[in-house]
Amino acid sequence: ILNVEQSPQSLHVQEGDSTNFTCSFPSSNFYALHWYRWETAKSPEALFVMTLNGDEKKKGRISATLNTKEGYSYLYIKGSQPEDSATYLCAYNFGNEKLTFGTGTRLTIIP
Amino acid sequence: NAGVTQTPKFRILKIGQSMTLQCTQDMNHNYMYWYRQDPGMGLKLIYYSVGAGITDKGEVPNGYNVSRSTTEDFPLRLELAAPSQTSVYFCASSYLGAPSDGYTFGSGTRLTVV
Repeated sequence: ILNVEQSPQSLHVQEGDSTNFTCSFPSSNFYALHWYRWETAKSPEALFVMTLNGDEKKKGRISATLNTKEGYSYLYIKGSQPEDSATYLCAYNFGNEKLTFGTGTRLTIIP
Repeated sequence: NAGVTQTPKFRILKIGQSMTLQCTQDMNHNYMYWYRQDPGMGLKLIYYSVGAGITDKGEVPNGYNVSRSTTEDFPLRLELAAPSQTSVYFCASSYLGAPSDGYTFGSGTRLTVV
């Protein structure tokens, strides 16, 4: 079984501050790395699908980078807002139809 | 555009009962998936399908069955429910599949087996 690890497990950030967290995955047989945003009582929502080493993707104040050689991806949130409070999931794909999900980073923005 | 629709939203089952969790998508996605989410654990893949008539096991298939007779529908069947199947179940779909395309998730079914 391939492991996907996310850190930290939870994070409290003051409104207006920027933050980032990490997803680590096996560096062999890489095909894709997904990021999802999961608000409480809702369903996960796709943020990014990253496939190339060095990929950088951006959506508003949220961006992500990918290093497939060392097996990590960073998710950055600039100028955190209360609506950014959610669990952020990453998921690793190693070439078949299966995604292996991490357990998530639970982000709470303090007003 | 409804996306991925799951029913029911909540259900309580007694040990040994059976039920079907329904999942329908209207986006003409070929790929569909069933996940379960337990407290403190990541989403675990139960079964998936790459198209009508084709299904395959995921990481935790025991105690479940699926069918995919149409592109739109991917029901998950629980036979002889057990307390270990208490979980939140999510159905998801994708147009191009996991190597290329993000998933669209349903709103989930919270199942309790007592």
